[in-house]
Amino acid sequence: DVKVTQSSRYLVKRTGEKVFLECVQDMDHENMFWYRQDPGLGLRLIYFSYDVKMKEKGDIPEGYSVSREKKERFSLILESASTNQTSMYLCASSPDGGGRYGYTFGSGTRLTVV
Amino acid sequence: DAKTTQPPSMDCAEGRAANLPCNHSTISGNEYVYWYRQIHSQGPQYIIHGLKNNETNEMASLIITEDRKSSTLILPHATLRDTAVYYCIVRASGTYKYIFGTGTRLKVLA
Repeated sequence: DVKVTQSSRYLVKRTGEKVFLECVQDMDHENMFWYRQDPGLGLRLIYFSYDVKMKEKGDIPEGYSVSREKKERFSLILESASTNQTSMYLCASSPDGGGRYGYTFGSGTRLTVV
Repeated sequence: DAKTTQPPSMDCAEGRAANLPCNHSTISGNEYVYWYRQIHSQGPQYIIHGLKNNETNEMASLIITEDRKSSTLILPHATLRDTAVYYCIVRASGTYKYIFGTGTRLKVLA
């Protein structure tokens, strides 16, 4: 089974801190994605990557950046954490863009910014 | 981008079939219909997807109407562990991303 592993299940950070959320997949998937999930808003795409060192903005990239130096790892960076970035963050991977295959999601990181 | 419409909630008796509807009237010819579910505090789990034909796997069946404007996910024998939010999604045309709606909260009752 494909595994998508997110480094932390729960995280508490202070306003203004630089925060790194790590995601690793073990099936050589080309595409990786970062979503955030908030009550009443569903899942919203922050960034995605279709190849090493390639990235594209999703719907809500402001305040975030990403890094994909290796195929298996996709990092989400909160440059200066703010309270409105308190959310559940979900990483996903897929062998293609999601046409013929579904996504595999990680278990999520629940980030609280205080 | 095609959007989907799902009922916000449904109940189903344990052991009975759960039929979850989805409308996607603006779907394009090359867009797939996907179903995921999310059990509380976990990441979404892929269930099934299809383009035109009906599909079945070990988890569920997907029935897509001939005009592709709607579909139904069928869980043939619902169990308490199937209680979750179910998302019907179509792949955004020309991009890599999905558009997740707010889904249907299915509650399986003992």
